[in-house]
Amino acid sequence: GAVVSQHPSWVICKSGTSVKIECRSLDFQATTMFWYRQFPKQSLMLMATSNEGSKATYEQGVEKDKFLINHASLTLSTLTVTSAHPEDSSFYICSARDSRSSGAFSSYNEQFFGPGTRLTVL
Amino acid sequence: GQQVMQIPQYQHVQEGEDFTTYCNSSTTLSNIQWYKQRPGGHPVFLIQLVKSGEVKKQKRLTFQFGEAKKNSSLHITATQTTDVGTYFCAVLSAGGFKTIFGAGTRLFVKA
Repeated sequence: GAVVSQHPSWVICKSGTSVKIECRSLDFQATTMFWYRQFPKQSLMLMATSNEGSKATYEQGVEKDKFLINHASLTLSTLTVTSAHPEDSSFYICSARDSRSSGAFSSYNEQFFGPGTRLTVL
Repeated sequence: GQQVMQIPQYQHVQEGEDFTTYCNSSTTLSNIQWYKQRPGGHPVFLIQLVKSGEVKKQKRLTFQFGEAKKNSSLHITATQTTDVGTYFCAVLSAGGFKTIFGAGTRLFVKA
């Protein structure tokens, strides 16, 4: 159980185009999903928190108009990189937490990560 | 915001040698989590520690949470080539909502 899928696994696009990445929780509901970006040999940087049925919460320095997030259902969040540029090339990973999670001392704090999407912008 | 410093950045070991990675915080942590990311893969949750002085074991892996809850360590006994990857510590932000990751320690194991 607790599987998160991500699609596509890799994508190559031309500069100026938009790319949509899907993140799905396959066997549990996730009111909250998280989007991370990871550059080679670096840590995961949280970009935004995706909230089902409401606006995403973006981390400082992340352009909300460039990285559009939609969380229309309890099992699907999408990240759209608009007008992509070569500096947007990175590994994008989503994660989800079982909706039963309820705080720092809950036994359900575990995050389940998708396999990631490697984006290359030419 | 809450941050954790993780050292070393990377370590090369001979198969069979032990390995330890450390996480430190200037503030008291309510919890700490550990993840492993294999090369080309995604992070996989290993464990969460919440109690002062807590020690947990998973086979050859030993996780510790400091008495002051400001530091934590992951120790691997007798490394194997399958242990290769990056080990991240992570903390839940206030309220237990967001997860903030340390820089990670890359482990290389030579057979």
